[in-house]
Amino acid sequence: EVQLVESGGGLIQPGGSLRLSCAASGLTVSSNYMSWVRQAPGKGLEWISIIYPGDSTYYADSVKGRFTISRDNSKNTVYLQMNSLRGEDTAVYYCARERSMGANPIDSFEIWGQGTLVTVSS
Amino acid sequence: DIQMTQSPSAMSASVGDRVTITCRASQGINNYLAWFQQKPGKVPKRLIYAASSLQSGVPSRFSGSGSGTEFTLTISSLQPEDFATYYCLQYNSYPRTFGQGTKVEIK
Repeated sequence: EVQLVESGGGLIQPGGSLRLSCAASGLTVSSNYMSWVRQAPGKGLEWISIIYPGDSTYYADSVKGRFTISRDNSKNTVYLQMNSLRGEDTAVYYCARERSMGANPIDSFEIWGQGTLVTVSS
Repeated sequence: DIQMTQSPSAMSASVGDRVTITCRASQGINNYLAWFQQKPGKVPKRLIYAASSLQSGVPSRFSGSGSGTEFTLTISSLQPEDFATYYCLQYNSYPRTFGQGTKVEIK
C-alpha cells in the first residue's frame, strides 16, 4: 500500500524556521514527482512546490526564496524547509505524489498524505 | 499564472438533486484538470482526472466534462455522503492552481 506520512509541524514564531518531512512507503520518492500543497484554516488549497526525479524544483511565488524542497533518497523522504515564516504561512501542509516517472502526466495527484499543521504565531 | 475561476462558491441542494460545478481557466490547459472532494478535517480525495476520467472506486454518479478552458463536475443524483467542498485543479503549467472551492450544503 502506498502511504505518505508528513511530520514536523507545530507552533513557530514569526521569522522562525521549520522543516517538514514526508516519509513515503510503497513508492520510491526519487522516481516520483513530489509536491507540497497547503490549506490555511477555513480556506482553499494552494500548491506550493514540486521536486522532480531529476532534482528540478518549482515554487509558488508566495514561498519562493523562503521555502526549499529537497529529498533524501536513503530515507525515502521529501522535505520542505520553511524559513522566514509569516502568519499567512499558517496552514495544514500536505505532501502529494503528482505522478511517477514515466507515467502519463495526465494521471496526477492521486496520492496524498494526511497533512501536518503549521501555526505561525507569537 | 493560470487562474481557475470556480462557481458557485457555495450551494444548497437536496438529496437526489443534480449538481453542476464549473471551473473556467484563464487559458487553455489541455485537459490537465482534476476534481477533488474534501470533507471537514479530511484529506482531499481525487474524483476525476484528465477532465473526464473517473477515479477508480468513485461512484459513477460523478462525472467530469469540458475542454479548452471550461470544465464541469456533475453529480447526477446527490447523496448524503456527497455534502462536502469540491475543488478543481489545473496541472498543465506552473504554478499548479486550484479553484476557490464549492461548498455543497444540505437544503
